[in-house]
Amino acid sequence: VQLQQSGPGLVKASQTLSLTCDIFGDSVSGKSVAWNWIRQSPSRGLEWLGRTYYRSKWYNDYAESVKSRITINADTSQNQFSLHLNSVTPEDTAVYYCTRGYFSSCDYWSQGILVTVSS
Amino acid sequence: DVVVTQSPLSLPVTSGRPVSMSCRSSQSLAHSDGNTYLSWFHQRPGQSPRRLISRVSIRDSGVPDRFSGSGSGTDFTLKISRVEAEDVGVYYCMQGIEWPWTFGQGTKVEIK
Repeated sequence: VQLQQSGPGLVKASQTLSLTCDIFGDSVSGKSVAWNWIRQSPSRGLEWLGRTYYRSKWYNDYAESVKSRITINADTSQNQFSLHLNSVTPEDTAVYYCTRGYFSSCDYWSQGILVTVSS
Repeated sequence: DVVVTQSPLSLPVTSGRPVSMSCRSSQSLAHSDGNTYLSWFHQRPGQSPRRLISRVSIRDSGVPDRFSGSGSGTDFTLKISRVEAEDVGVYYCMQGIEWPWTFGQGTKVEIK
């Protein structure tokens, strides 16, 4: 399994941060897996943001800290999932990772993208 | 949220010597399905975290057997039997018993 992220490394404050994660070697609609977004910053450490998964229908779970601003979508035609975080501030500056969740753990991680929010 | 606390935060070690680090959770990570959902990750500078161990003691494919995990309930330990230069970096534990999954603050291992 490989996860390949893409998206801008610089976002202006108040705008929307959007990242995409392409999945190779597994299916975004796999029955036993979930697809996560996690970020890492010196001030907040590793922080799980949310996940999407398919169990006869699509489900999403979001961290309370970003719940009002986050959307995670899956695209089965492209076998990818995406993160959209709106109304960003410099506090959202971090390295963002996409991961596969299986058996309540993250077994595969993307390479990470540093996203800087400029004020 | 489940709080995960690691200690020590910094661990200077001598190459070839054993080392251990601790991870404690604010509630039991034992699930009714019989599994205990505690994982360990290693992150080298500039790299993504790499999982070493899941469910307390199950080593991932390719992880050297000098790494071992143990523990139960709320107290867990990662041991490296003989530290090598490539083992430097930060080690994180993560709980998967309850959403949101949460990580410890990390233990930084460096060679003396």
